[in-house]
Amino acid sequence: NAGVTQTPKFQVLKTGQSMTLQCAQDMNHEYMSWYRQDPGMGLRLIHYSVGAGITDQGEVPNGYNVSRSTTEDFPLRLLSAAPSQTSVYFCASSPRGPNTGELFFGEGSRLTVL
Amino acid sequence: AQSVTQLGSHVSVSEGALVLLRCNYSSSVPPYLFWYVQYPNQGLQLLLKYTTGATLVKGINGFEAEFKKSETSFHLTKPSAHMSDAAEYFCAVSDLDFGNEKLTFGTGTRLTIIP
Repeated sequence: NAGVTQTPKFQVLKTGQSMTLQCAQDMNHEYMSWYRQDPGMGLRLIHYSVGAGITDQGEVPNGYNVSRSTTEDFPLRLLSAAPSQTSVYFCASSPRGPNTGELFFGEGSRLTVL
Repeated sequence: AQSVTQLGSHVSVSEGALVLLRCNYSSSVPPYLFWYVQYPNQGLQLLLKYTTGATLVKGINGFEAEFKKSETSFHLTKPSAHMSDAAEYFCAVSDLDFGNEKLTFGTGTRLTIIP
C-alpha cells in the first residue's frame, strides 16, 4: 500500500540549477498539493491541483512550476534554484479536497541549495 | 483570509500529565479546523477535524479538541501523556470554498514528554 511517494528524499543543488521533485499517489485522489516546511513557519502551500489538467497557485508559488497530466502524478519543478528554496517539501493528496477528507502526506523531500 | 496562531512553539509535559496545545484562528466565516501530527522524519497525519455539528471532536490516540466560536479557539487536549505522543503538532484552518480548498497551517508546537 504505497500511498503518496516522493522522490528524491534528499537533494543538494547549486544556485541556478533546475530539478524536479516527483510525487505519485496510487489512491486515485483528485486533489494534490505541494507544501514547503521551514523552521518556525509551519507548512506553506506552493501549488495545488483539484484534478488532472487543473492547477492553481498557493501562498508561495514564485520560483516553482507544476503540471498535472495524470491523476497519479504531480511533479514540482524548480526552474533556477535559489538558497531561499532550501526547505523540506511535502506532497499531499486527498480524495476530493482537504475539507471533505484528510490530506495524505508523503515522507518529504529535503532540498539544500548552495 | 484565514490564519492560525499556535501559542507556544515548544511544550513539555510529564508522562501521565495533561496535554494542552493551544490554537486560535482568524476567519471571516466559520471555518473547518484540523489538527495534524508529525513524527520525526515523517509526513503529517490527521489527528482530528471539526466541520459542523458537535463542537467536541475526538481523534486518534486519545486526543480531542473543542471548537469554541466565541473564543475563536480549537485547543487540543489529551488527559494523560504517553511517551509516544512526542511529536510536532499543527493546527490548520480551511475555508469553505469547495473546489478551491486550501489549508492554512499554524507554525507548529513541538511536544516533549518528560519521563
